[in-house]
Amino acid sequence: GQQLNQSPQSMFIQEGEDVSMNCTSSSIFNTWLWYKQEPGEGPVLLIALYKAGELTSNGRLTAQFGITRKDSFLNISASIPSDVGIYFCAGPILTGGGNKLTFGTGTQLKVEL
Amino acid sequence: GAGVSQSPSNKVTEKGKDVELRCDPISGHTALYWYRQSLGQGLEFLIYFQGNSAPDKSGLPSDRFSAERTGGSVSTLTIQRTQQEDSAVYLCASSLVSEFGEKLFFGSGTQLSVL
Repeated sequence: GQQLNQSPQSMFIQEGEDVSMNCTSSSIFNTWLWYKQEPGEGPVLLIALYKAGELTSNGRLTAQFGITRKDSFLNISASIPSDVGIYFCAGPILTGGGNKLTFGTGTQLKVEL
Repeated sequence: GAGVSQSPSNKVTEKGKDVELRCDPISGHTALYWYRQSLGQGLEFLIYFQGNSAPDKSGLPSDRFSAERTGGSVSTLTIQRTQQEDSAVYLCASSLVSEFGEKLFFGSGTQLSVL
């Protein structure tokens, strides 16, 4: 079935460094969503993108909707320890019952003090 | 609160027993999803309810798994004759579809441990 591939699978970075991760799909998406999951919690929506080429920021986070509509990027500037978690991208897949959100494989971020 | 509520937060059961997991979505949300997440892994889609449409059950791993959504609101995920490999966090999410697209809001999950 349709899959969203995220890379890297995991990252171990120094506090203060900038982080970049991406998500690719074999199909065109009309929406890209980025979520963060902390231990013991459900994923929380960070950024939503609705238009090809769109660049949206949320504090130190910036996400872009790729021009081809088959990819999206998430950047975190000046990482801090609380950025630790798993970051998921998501997009809608058209099914018989409507659009179903499908999640990527996740990027695990670990920050070293 | 106004978020997605799941109960219980933790469930320990013996192999072979049946379990029911409950999800109270955000009021007014038309879509409801169930996902399963094993330790350190991604989100495995289980089932999707959208309005009055027939649910998308394509992710249910076996016929031991079933889910209902009553009155377009509360949902129950039932696992019959639980097995050890069913141990995972079960996440529920609801969404509101607008002209701008769909945004999913998650509950904190039910940690299921099958002994």
